[in-house]
Amino acid sequence: QKEVEQDPGPLSVPEGAIVSLNCTYSNSAFQYFMWYRQYSRKGPELLMYTYSSGNKEDGRFTAQVDKSSKYISLFIRDSQPSDSATYLCAMSERGGGADGLTFGKGTHLIIQP
Amino acid sequence: DGGITQSPKYLFRKEGQNVTLSCEQNLNHDAMYWYRQDPGQGLRLIYYSQIVNDFQKGDIAEGYSVSREKKESFPLTVTSAQKNPTAFYLCAGAGTGGQPQHFGDGTRLSIL
Repeated sequence: QKEVEQDPGPLSVPEGAIVSLNCTYSNSAFQYFMWYRQYSRKGPELLMYTYSSGNKEDGRFTAQVDKSSKYISLFIRDSQPSDSATYLCAMSERGGGADGLTFGKGTHLIIQP
Repeated sequence: DGGITQSPKYLFRKEGQNVTLSCEQNLNHDAMYWYRQDPGQGLRLIYYSQIVNDFQKGDIAEGYSVSREKKESFPLTVTSAQKNPTAFYLCAGAGTGGQPQHFGDGTRLSIL
């Protein structure tokens, strides 16, 4: 059983739609959860960083963590063509990924103008 | 500009050759990491270092080596023992106190 599951997509939505991206995981010791955005041929860019269960909002982005269900989500409101990228979820047991991060495979998102 | 700088952007390796990928940071990060990314795959941890002169193996360390002689630098050597080296290599750094990891823009390694 893979530690972190993430639908690779592609997920195609029209501009302005609300996007929902999700990951499930099996390791109940994960406490720190991250979402990264990766454009083609570039390194991942940190979008959201959360600890334990709950919600966190930053501009058009909202991250949700449900540790009881081992399920995390990223919502993007008012999606723009510039949001087209691969979105990677990552998680760790210790803060900052002190022992390294465990990543999902990434979801390829396409925002249609 | 501050950040994680990886070089070169593209690298080619001949059979039986060792190659070294550079990673430099000026963010005063204590911890540094090397990941490998294959097409359609998430990142997998190769090696990491939380302090100068000390480093630990990640999930896929075989065929790779690292050094951490300076806080700012964490080079990765892909040895001839790595039989499938073609991949996108990413370096990351993180500060203390549970700070998240930030990445460089990667080096793409190919076999000639």
